[in-house]
Amino acid sequence: ETGVTQSPTHLIKTRGQQVTLRCSSQSGHNTVSWYQQALGQGPQFIFQYYREEENGRGNFPPRFSGLQFPNYSSELNVNALELDDSALYLCASSKEVWWGDSSGANVLTFGAGSRLTVL
Amino acid sequence: KQEVTQIPAALSVPEGENLVLNCSFTDSAIYNLQWFRQDPGKGLTSLLLIQSSQREQTSGRLNASLDKSSGRSTLYIAASQPGDSATYLCAVNNNNDMRFGAGTRLTVKP
Repeated sequence: ETGVTQSPTHLIKTRGQQVTLRCSSQSGHNTVSWYQQALGQGPQFIFQYYREEENGRGNFPPRFSGLQFPNYSSELNVNALELDDSALYLCASSKEVWWGDSSGANVLTFGAGSRLTVL
Repeated sequence: KQEVTQIPAALSVPEGENLVLNCSFTDSAIYNLQWFRQDPGKGLTSLLLIQSSQREQTSGRLNASLDKSSGRSTLYIAASQPGDSATYLCAVNNNNDMRFGAGTRLTVKP
C-alpha cells in the first residue's frame, strides 16, 4: 500500500506570491489534513477535508485555502505569501475523521512534507 | 483553548536506559491522543493512539498511558536504543481541532 506523498519537496517564493502544495492520500483513506510546522515547533493544524468538504479548521486566515478531489488527494493554496509562512507543510491522511472513535481508523499517516521558504 | 505541553524539551540518555516522556493538556474533553516520532526534516510517524475511553496502549518497547482527568499522558520507552533518537510529539484531538506539543528531542548515546 502506498503512503502519503507530497509535492514539491522544497520551494522558494517571494513575499506576495501564491503557492499550491499537493498531497496524495494513502490508499483507502478518505480524510486529509494539513499542518504548518515552523522550525523547532510542533505542527499547527490548518484544516481537514473529509469527502471533498472542509471539516474542521485551525486558527489560520482565509488566504490559506484547500481542496480535496474525488480520489481524495488534496491541495493547499496560500495567497499573498508572508515571510512568516516559511515552514514545513505537512499533509496527513486517515481512514476517517479524527474525532470518531473508530478503533484506530483515525490514525494519521503523514507525508514527508513540503518545505516552503518565503523571501 | 487547548494547550499542550511536553516536558522535558530535550533528553539525553545512555543506551539501554528506560525513559518516560511527558505530555500535559489543559482541556480534558478530548477524543483521543496520539504519540508521534519525527526524524530531522521528515514527516511524522504515528507510534500509538489512545482513544478517550482507553487508559493505555502498547507497541513493542513503547507504552503510552492516558489520564484524562488530570490532563496527562506519558510515553514509556523501554531499553532505549540509538535508533530511538528523534523528536517525540504528542497531539490531542477535541472538537474539530488537533493540538500538538512542541516535542521532546531524545538522544540515545551508544
